[in-house]
Amino acid sequence: AQTVTQSQPEMSVQEAETVTLSCTYDTSESDYYLFWYKQPPSRQMILVIRQEAYKQQNATENRFSVNFQKAAKSFSLKISDSQLGDAAMYFCAYKVGGGADGLTFGKGTHLIIQP
Amino acid sequence: DTEVTQTPKHLVMGMTNKKSLKCEQHMGHRAMYWYKQKAKKPPELMFVYSYEKLSINESVPSRFSPECPNSSLLNLHLHALQPEDSALYLCASSLREGNSPLHFGNGTRLTVT
Repeated sequence: AQTVTQSQPEMSVQEAETVTLSCTYDTSESDYYLFWYKQPPSRQMILVIRQEAYKQQNATENRFSVNFQKAAKSFSLKISDSQLGDAAMYFCAYKVGGGADGLTFGKGTHLIIQP
Repeated sequence: DTEVTQTPKHLVMGMTNKKSLKCEQHMGHRAMYWYKQKAKKPPELMFVYSYEKLSINESVPSRFSPECPNSSLLNLHLHALQPEDSALYLCASSLREGNSPLHFGNGTRLTVT
């Protein structure tokens, strides 16, 4: 079975600073995908960024980027120039390739932005 | 704006009631999902429908009954629930391809009294 581990229950960062959220996963699959979702108090799960395991290049979406270390099974999220609107729960998620198997989520990291 | 619409937003029901949660998407996605999320916890997968057929049931109690009438609609029928079933119920949809992300609705906040 696949597992996703987020070891930081809560992180705090000053506005405009950079923060990195950690995620590790365990799988025996070779074809899989990784995602970061944010869930603000409005409760909708919003996709932040995705990474295909077969791609060596780290994904980037504006202020959000990942550090994907396949051998170490690590998938961290870096948020640059943090903004108040970034405050949310952040979930790392894993999806096996090949079909509709749903996402396996980590326990989440609560990100606080200090003004 | 969410492209996956869930109704109702809030629901309070007694343990003897029968109610239904509804989910709708018009993105042409052929995979649809129900997740349950307790406070301060990650979402837990309940059911997956692929091409309107139930493909995954994560050992969910029979008091939860999913239904996929067509490719755009997903229902979750509730009967004889317990107070511990109170949670946020999230619907999601995706293309079937592996790298396709899930698109989530805003959820239904369910309280069982």
